[in-house]
This record gives sequence, C-alpha cells and structure tokens, in this order.
Amino acid sequence: QITLKESGPTLVKPTQTLTLTCTFSGFSLSTSGVGVGWIRQPPGKALEWLALIYWDDDKRYSPSLKSRLTITKDTSKNQVVLTMTNMDPVDTATYYCAHRTALEDFDYWGQGTLVTVSS
Amino acid sequence: SSELTQPPSVSVSPGQTASITCSGDKLGDKYTCWYQQRPGQSPLLVIYQDTKRPSGIPERFSGSNSGNTATLTISGTQAMDEADYYCQAWDSSTNVVFGGGTKLTVL
Repeated sequence: QITLKESGPTLVKPTQTLTLTCTFSGFSLSTSGVGVGWIRQPPGKALEWLALIYWDDDKRYSPSLKSRLTITKDTSKNQVVLTMTNMDPVDTATYYCAHRTALEDFDYWGQGTLVTVSS
Repeated sequence: SSELTQPPSVSVSPGQTASITCSGDKLGDKYTCWYQQRPGQSPLLVIYQDTKRPSGIPERFSGSNSGNTATLTISGTQAMDEADYYCQAWDSSTNVVFGGGTKLTVL
C-alpha cells in the first residue's frame, strides 16, 4: 500500500525559505520509472505542478518557479524534500506530494499541507 | 511549455452524460490523465493514458484523446460525481502541465 505524507511549517514569513518533506512508504524511489512530484493549490484555485524527481535523480521544475525551487531525495529514508526560496503571500497554498508512475500519472497523493505566508 | 484549457464549469442532470474537455496543442500526441477532487480532499486519479481506469474507478468514467482535445466522459452521472476535475499531460520539455480545472455540478 502506497502512502505519502507532507510535513513542514504551516506559517512562514515573506522572504523566508520554505522546506517541505514528503515521507512515503509502499514503494522505492530507486525503482526504474518511479518519481515523486510536488503540486500546490492556492485556496479556491487550480492545481499547479512545482517539481518532480525521478528514480535516477533526474529533476524537473516548473519553468515559472525554477529559480526558487530545489528538490532532493533521500532514498534510504524514503523522503523527498522541496525547498522554495523567497516566499510571498501569493505562495499561500496547500502543498501536495504525489507518486509518479512509469505511466506518467500521479496515482497516489498525500493529504496535503496548508502553508500560509504572512508576516 | 504548453497550456491546457478546460471549461470552468459543466452542469449535468443526474443520470445524464457529462463531458469535460481539455484542449492543448497537439494534445492527442501525448498521454492525458484526469483527476477528480472533491472539496477538502486530495486529487484522485480517475483516467490515465487517455482511456484507462485505475482499479476501483467506476465504469461510468471514460476518456478519449484526439487531435487537440482530450475528453472525460461520465455516463449516468451521480450526485457523488460532483467535484472539480483536472486534466494533466506533459509538455515537450517533459514538464507536467495541469489544466485549469472544471467544476462539475450535478443539478
């Protein structure tokens, strides 16, 4: 059974760096074709893809946010970490991590974590 | 990168067929998947690789993709199908792209 869970601060101040951790179970990020992605959703708005890391450590970033994002993995801990620099109130959103299959979809999602950016 | 365009809202009567479109440049050349998101819940994959249903997804959900448009069809729509639906594909740079979402209302 695949599960994912996001953790991190619920409140960050403008200009600070956000660090979110996705802890997963039920799969290995060393298995060919597998990836873990981060997606966010501002309140009442659409899903927005942020970043994706593959089993071979290939990394992809949203072009519009690339300069602010870093994604890393710790295969031994079954964790993926996303950092986003220079946070702004418009970055207030629920942040999800999700399991990416070899068939190019996200079949399992975490419960999401709401991050509010406010001074 | 590509953009995927969805209608903001679709309404359907119970028992009727709902169709939600997703448009993008040469979308038919790529795989598209669809997610259902009920209020307060995480997205749920309902269609992958254009037409396939994950285990546990009712047969009334189906998908197609051709030309510039992918379509999610819900036959015999039920009240429980009322939700937001998002399409997702990959652009030419192998980046993930989501559509803007469609709110399905079952009247």
